[in-house]
Amino acid sequence: EAGVAQSPRYKIIEKRQSVAFWCNPISGHATLYWYQQILGQGPKLLIQFQNNGVVDDSQLPKDRFSAERLKGVDSTLKIQPAKLEDSAVYLCASSLAAGGPHEQYFGPGTRLTVT
Amino acid sequence: SQKIEQNSEALNIQEGKTATLTCNYTNYSPAYLQWYRQDPGRGPVFLLLIRENEKEKRKERLKVTFDTTLKQSLFHITASQPADSATYLCALRMDSSYKLIFGSGTRLLVRP
Repeated sequence: EAGVAQSPRYKIIEKRQSVAFWCNPISGHATLYWYQQILGQGPKLLIQFQNNGVVDDSQLPKDRFSAERLKGVDSTLKIQPAKLEDSAVYLCASSLAAGGPHEQYFGPGTRLTVT
Repeated sequence: SQKIEQNSEALNIQEGKTATLTCNYTNYSPAYLQWYRQDPGRGPVFLLLIRENEKEKRKERLKVTFDTTLKQSLFHITASQPADSATYLCALRMDSSYKLIFGSGTRLLVRP
C-alpha cells in the first residue's frame, strides 16, 4: 500500500515570497490533516479536512495560510507571504475517517526554510 | 492552561534494558491517547493507541499504560535495541474534537 506522498521535500524561500506544498493521501482515506512541526516541538494541527470539507482550521493563520482539498483527494497548502517564523516542517497525514480512534498516517514532510 | 509534557531531555539507556517514557497532561480529558515514533527527517509513525477506559495495552515489546486519575501515560520498550533509538511522541484525542494534540516528544538513545 502506497503511503502519504508530499512534495517538495525541501524548499528555501525569502520572506514575503509565496510557497505551496502538495499532498496525496492514502487511497480511500477520507480525512486529511496538515501539521506544522517546528524544530524540537511536536506537530501542531493547522487544518483538517473530511473529504473536501474543512473540519477544523482554528489554528491556521488565515491571513497568510490557505489550504484546499479538491475532489476530496489531493490537497495543497499555501503560504503567502511567508515570514521567518514559518520555517518548519509541514507534515501531511491521512486517516480512514475523523470519528473514532483512527491512527494517522504521515507523509515525510516538507522542510521549509524562510530567509 | 492546557499542557502535555514529555521529558525534554534525551533518555539514554543500555541495549537490553527497558525504556520507560512519560507523558503527563493537565486540563485535558482525552478519550484516547496515542504513541508515535519519529525518526530524523521522517513523519511520525503510529505505534499504539489506548482508550480512557483501558489501563494497559501491549504490542510485542511495547506496553502502554493510561492513568486518567494521575493524568499520565507510560510507554515501555522492553529488551531495547539500538534500532529503537528515535523520538517518541504522545498525542491526546478528545471526544469533543477530532484533532490530535501532540506532546513535544522524548528522544530515546539505546547504546549497543
